[in-house]
Amino acid sequence: GQQLNQSPQSMFIQEGEDVSMNCTSSSIFNTWLWYKQDPGEGPVLLIALYKAGELTSNGRLTAQFGITRKDSFLNISASIPSDVGIYFCAGAMDSNYQLIWGAGTKLIIKP
Amino acid sequence: DAGVIQSPRHEVTEMGQEVTLRCKPISGHDYLFWYRQTMMRGLELLIYFNNNVPIDDSGMPEDRFSAKMPNASFSTLKIQPSEPRDSAVYFCASTTSGSSDEQFFGPGTRLTVL
Repeated sequence: GQQLNQSPQSMFIQEGEDVSMNCTSSSIFNTWLWYKQDPGEGPVLLIALYKAGELTSNGRLTAQFGITRKDSFLNISASIPSDVGIYFCAGAMDSNYQLIWGAGTKLIIKP
Repeated sequence: DAGVIQSPRHEVTEMGQEVTLRCKPISGHDYLFWYRQTMMRGLELLIYFNNNVPIDDSGMPEDRFSAKMPNASFSTLKIQPSEPRDSAVYFCASTTSGSSDEQFFGPGTRLTVL
């Protein structure tokens, strides 16, 4: 089946550091979505991307839709403790509303 | 606005028992999705509905799982009989056909089958 390769699997960072994670696919996507999941909660949509090359920001978060339409990245600048959680990428290939999900990147902030 | 509502938040049951999970999508959303999340397999789509009609149930693990959507504001996922390997967090999500694939998730039901 379709797969998204999300990396890294986990990140240990210091507060204040910038964070970068990405997703790649062998297939072309029309939409890329980035979600964050806090413990005990459902994923929450952070950023949605609809066009190849699109760069979108949401506060300290910036995401880009790769020009080949097969990848996307998410950057978090100046990380803070509440950024801890699992970040998921998801892609949609066509208009059937089914999403293909990455395995997640677990962000941990070192004390 | 109320988000997606799921109940119960936690369910502990014994193997062989019937389990029913409930979901109320966001008002006006015409797509509803049921997911299962485990450490081993991540987020898996089980089934999704459009306008209360099941569109794709290819992710439903086996006949023990069934889902219904009797109206636009309510859906159930039933497991009968339950097994320990069904232990997972089950999420419901909804979206509207004008939202360009953006799905909104409920808080999930953590199911433990002993």
